[in-house]
Amino acid sequence: AQSVTQPDIHITVSEGASLELRCNYSYGATPYLFWYVQSPGQGLQLLLKYFSGDTLVQGIKGFEAEFKRSQSSFNLRKPSVHWSDAAEYFCAVGAAGGSYIPTFGRGTSLIVHP
Amino acid sequence: EAQVTQNPRYLITVTGKKLTVTCSQNMNHEYMSWYRQDPGLGLRQIYYSMNVEVTDKGDVPEGYKVSRKEKRNFPLILESPSPNQTSLYFCASTTARGLFTDTQYFGPGTRLTVL
Repeated sequence: AQSVTQPDIHITVSEGASLELRCNYSYGATPYLFWYVQSPGQGLQLLLKYFSGDTLVQGIKGFEAEFKRSQSSFNLRKPSVHWSDAAEYFCAVGAAGGSYIPTFGRGTSLIVHP
Repeated sequence: EAQVTQNPRYLITVTGKKLTVTCSQNMNHEYMSWYRQDPGLGLRQIYYSMNVEVTDKGDVPEGYKVSRKEKRNFPLILESPSPNQTSLYFCASTTARGLFTDTQYFGPGTRLTVL
């Protein structure tokens, strides 16, 4: 069965600092990987996704993520965080050709200090 | 504007009183699903539907029912709600053709409290 681990429940950064949110997955084949952002009181919005090709994926709002098969990781990065990036971030994995049930991580809450 | 709508956004009810949360999408998507979000647990899928009259269980279907009589609507039914169903619920949709390659659109959420 597929699984996703987000080891950090909370991350606190200063505005303007760089950011890296960790995501590790478990799946037997090449997974489909996603990062979503949930702003307070809102639904989830897709930031970026990976399913093949270039392992460095660019997303919206200046985010990027890198797929590393050897480490089973799909970490999310941003070079300079803005106060509006404060939100909950979810990593998710989908199984190509298998279950239609995507698996979400527990989420990482990003706090941005001015 | 492409969107997924849910109603109501907030609901407080009592144990055992049947309720329905509606979900509607205007993108002609085949695939629709319901999730519940609980602190520390992330999102867990309750039910999904690949198309009209085609539904299947997700990871946590107990205590819930769904129906898909029309392509645009996918209501979530709690026949006899219990306090452990107090949660934040999201409906989502995407194309079945690109089930994991196309963007999954989420509704704004329904916060349900069962007393």
